[in-house]
Amino acid sequence: GAGVSQSPSNKVTEKGKDVELRCDPISGHTALYWYRQSLGQGLEFLIYFQGNSAPDKSGLPSDRFSAERTGGSVSTLTIQRTQQEDSAVYLCASSLAWLGEQYFGPGTRLTVT
Amino acid sequence: TQLLEQSPQFLSIQEGENLTVYCNSSSVFSSLQWYRQEPGEGPVLLVTVVTGGEVKKLKRLTFQFGDARKDSSLHITAAQPGDTGLYLCAGAYTSGTYKYIFGTGTRLKVLA
Repeated sequence: GAGVSQSPSNKVTEKGKDVELRCDPISGHTALYWYRQSLGQGLEFLIYFQGNSAPDKSGLPSDRFSAERTGGSVSTLTIQRTQQEDSAVYLCASSLAWLGEQYFGPGTRLTVT
Repeated sequence: TQLLEQSPQFLSIQEGENLTVYCNSSSVFSSLQWYRQEPGEGPVLLVTVVTGGEVKKLKRLTFQFGDARKDSSLHITAAQPGDTGLYLCAGAYTSGTYKYIFGTGTRLKVLA
């Protein structure tokens, strides 16, 4: 079966523009997670969804970041008014159930110029 | 703030050598995972440990969870070039709500 897919794979945007990053989880996985991996740094946990609900949004770096999930499937991470420090690889993962084994997508590499 | 520190940060060894990577925290985790990540890909889960003192083996890889569930180690026997990659530990804990954090990572290079 298909794994977790993310699009776009690469995104270059100008400072101040808005970007949307998409994650398609494995079919039937109820939990979905977003992470950020900066160059030379570890993975930073951003937000998770149980179904369409995100119980805790405190991991999002600023109020320019938002995420939603619809239909218990696709999720979108939106960054408004991008800044250079937002440049990173954004990874999405899904699991069959909450706290289950996470399967990661290949990530979206975001570069803000 | 919960923190998972890994050591060493970088490791370059010859094929056939043994190595150990450590993952340490001052906090207790309900479970701990080890992942391997290759360039351009997401992390791939290697193992989950749950019980303090637990030891799991995956071919040449041996994983141990500390008795107090605050630390873990990954030992690779007779390393091969195919073991090259970024090794990450990660742990789950609850602080009002669910949190999941990754360690700082160990970048391993095995030379043929």
